[in-house]
Amino acid sequence: DAKTTQPTSMDCAEGRAANLPCNHSTISGNEYVYWYRQIHSQGPQYIIHGLKNNETNEMASLIITEDRKSSTLILPHATLRDTAVYYCIVRVGSDYKLSFGAGTTVTVRA
Amino acid sequence: DTAVSQTPKYLVTQMGNDKSIKCEQNLGHDTMYWYKQDSKKFLKIMFSYNNKELIINETVPNRFSPKSPDKAHLNLHINSLELGDSAVYFCASSPGQGLGTEAFFGQGTRLTVV
Repeated sequence: DAKTTQPTSMDCAEGRAANLPCNHSTISGNEYVYWYRQIHSQGPQYIIHGLKNNETNEMASLIITEDRKSSTLILPHATLRDTAVYYCIVRVGSDYKLSFGAGTTVTVRA
Repeated sequence: DTAVSQTPKYLVTQMGNDKSIKCEQNLGHDTMYWYKQDSKKFLKIMFSYNNKELIINETVPNRFSPKSPDKAHLNLHINSLELGDSAVYFCASSPGQGLGTEAFFGQGTRLTVV
């Protein structure tokens, strides 16, 4: 799996958009970008994934650069409940394994 | 209904004991996993089963033995517990390979070995 690089931590104001960057400069053509989050003391939760195109669901939007070497997860209106560790993961679609890095600790402040 | 359920949620035991953690998923998924999250908060995969067959074993000590009686269950048995086994253990399931194979995680079992 390609390695990802994320900032260690970031703060966000409640009600504002949170933009979480992820670098994956060695990503291969058949690797997808996945985002998960882990709220304190809970199991990780799937957020979104994509290959080339930008993706949006009820939780977030995923913007992938044209060269696919980086991506940004956007939480459009952050709430206090979005405080969590966010993991950016790249994996081949046929791979059974999810490899988690250190992630970004996001703190949403009132 | 809880999609992936683990029991017990907390487990405190002495060194040298043998213990089991149970996991059940009601999502009809083919693949199940065990992950370990240590005190440094890194999540590491331990095992993966697909349709009751072991497909990933990440060099876990053989004191850890997963057992999958059917594709809805993946239990983790640990022999001769050591202090270093203290961690949170997460069970997960996914449909299998390919697109849309997002994993669903249980709420974790906090194991403390004293």
